Amino acid sequence: NAGVTQTPKFQVLKTGQSMTLQCAQDMNHNSMYWYRQDPGMGLRLIYYSASEGTTDKGEVPNGYNVSRLNKREFSLRLESAAPSQTSVYFCASSEVNQPQHFGDGTRLSIL
Amino acid sequence: EDQVTQSPEALRLQEGESSSLNCSYTVSGLRGLFWYRQDPGKGPEFLFTLYSAGEEKEKERLKATLTKKESFLHITAPKPEDSATYLCAVQVSRNTDKLIFGTGTRLQVFP
Repeated sequence: NAGVTQTPKFQVLKTGQSMTLQCAQDMNHNSMYWYRQDPGMGLRLIYYSASEGTTDKGEVPNGYNVSRLNKREFSLRLESAAPSQTSVYFCASSEVNQPQHFGDGTRLSIL
Repeated sequence: EDQVTQSPEALRLQEGESSSLNCSYTVSGLRGLFWYRQDPGKGPEFLFTLYSAGEEKEKERLKATLTKKESFLHITAPKPEDSATYLCAVQVSRNTDKLIFGTGTRLQVFP
């Protein structure tokens, strides 16, 4: 039972490069989320998708785009990476009013 | 503004030394309060959900309680394997999909 799978696990980028973080869940959940976790800041919501075909901004959406490809997959794209986007990124999924289940994160460094 | 504050930031305990972690919140309307455990290099793992003041949940050495202003995670006779960061998050009524996280308490239990 894989749960929430994130790829890649680690990535180093140069400023200005673009990349897409992938997330897939096998629990048939309708809702999916992208967070970033920084020291002393806690988990902050970047974007979420309440169902296939819908996406909404969270607390810190600037510099990011998302795509809900289908019910299983929710990707996060950095179009032009900046050092301030160095962070650990977590994807999560849930049903309405149920706990969110998290992947093990992507550790992203931008030089 | 909705806010979640956890204390202490870090806690060192001797094996068997019971203690409590605090999560205080100021939100417009609480729909649910969640406790997660996070191990280094891993995503948060769900522990408990509490919905109303007076509610309690237990799992092994952990017990979570909820009042109208705060929640406590009580750890009874902890073991070294309880060492982790414990995160608290609240779900507010006006937007049921989003969680607001605290910054966590890093617990270390020494043999």
